[in-house]
Amino acid sequence: AQKVTQAQTEISVVEKEDVTLDCVYETRDTTYYLFWYKQPPSGELVFLIRRNSFDEQNEISGRYSWNFQKSTSSFNFTITASQVVDSAVYFCALRVYYGGSQGNLIFGKGTKLSVKP
Amino acid sequence: AAGVIQSPRHLIKEKRETATLKCYPIPRHDTVYWYQQGPGQDPQFLISFYEKMQSDKGSIPDRFSAQQFSDYHSELNMSSLELGDSALYFCASSARTSGGPLSYEQYFGPGTRLTVT
Repeated sequence: AQKVTQAQTEISVVEKEDVTLDCVYETRDTTYYLFWYKQPPSGELVFLIRRNSFDEQNEISGRYSWNFQKSTSSFNFTITASQVVDSAVYFCALRVYYGGSQGNLIFGKGTKLSVKP
Repeated sequence: AAGVIQSPRHLIKEKRETATLKCYPIPRHDTVYWYQQGPGQDPQFLISFYEKMQSDKGSIPDRFSAQQFSDYHSELNMSSLELGDSALYFCASSARTSGGPLSYEQYFGPGTRLTVT
C-alpha cells in the first residue's frame, strides 16, 4: 500500500524564521515520484517540486529547499526566512508507476503553515 | 501559458439535485484526473482518463460518473447530491511521456467549489 504521512498538522512561525515541513512516505515500488504542492487560502493547488525515486539530490530554489532521503523514506521541505505570503497548506504527495496506470497522486493530510509578521 | 480550465468555479445545488462539472485540460494533454477535497481534508482521487478511456478509479461514489470527450475535455456528473458532496473538485491534466515512466507533473485547475444545501 502507498501512504504519505505529514505528522505536523499546523505550524506557526514568525516572519524570517526558518521552517521545515516533514513528509514520510510508504511504498513498495521502486519507481515512484514525490511532489510538494502549496494551497493558499484562495484554494488553488500550486505545484512546487517533483522528485523521482532515482534522484536523491537535494534541491534549492530561492528560499525553498528539499531534502529527499530514501533511507528514511522522507522528503522534507524547508522554507528559509519565511514570509507572510508563505502562509498556506502544504501537501506532500506520492505517485507510483505501475503498468497500465496513469498514476494518480496520493496526498498527505497537509501541514497548515501560518507565518506571522 | 494555457492552464487547466474548470467550470463553473462555484456551484450551489440542493440535496437530490444533479450537477455537472467541466474540465478543459491543457492543450495536447491526454490524461485527465478528478480529485475531491472536502473541507479541511486532503484531495482524494476520484477517477482518471487516458486517451478518452477510463484509466483508474478511486473513491468515486456510484452516484458519480465521468467521461472524456473527443476534444479531451472531461465532465464529472453527480446525481442525487448529498450534503457530504460539498467540496472543492479539482481537475488535473498531464501529458504522457511516450515510452517512459510517468515522470511528469499533474497540472491542477482552480477547482469548482460545490455547495449542497
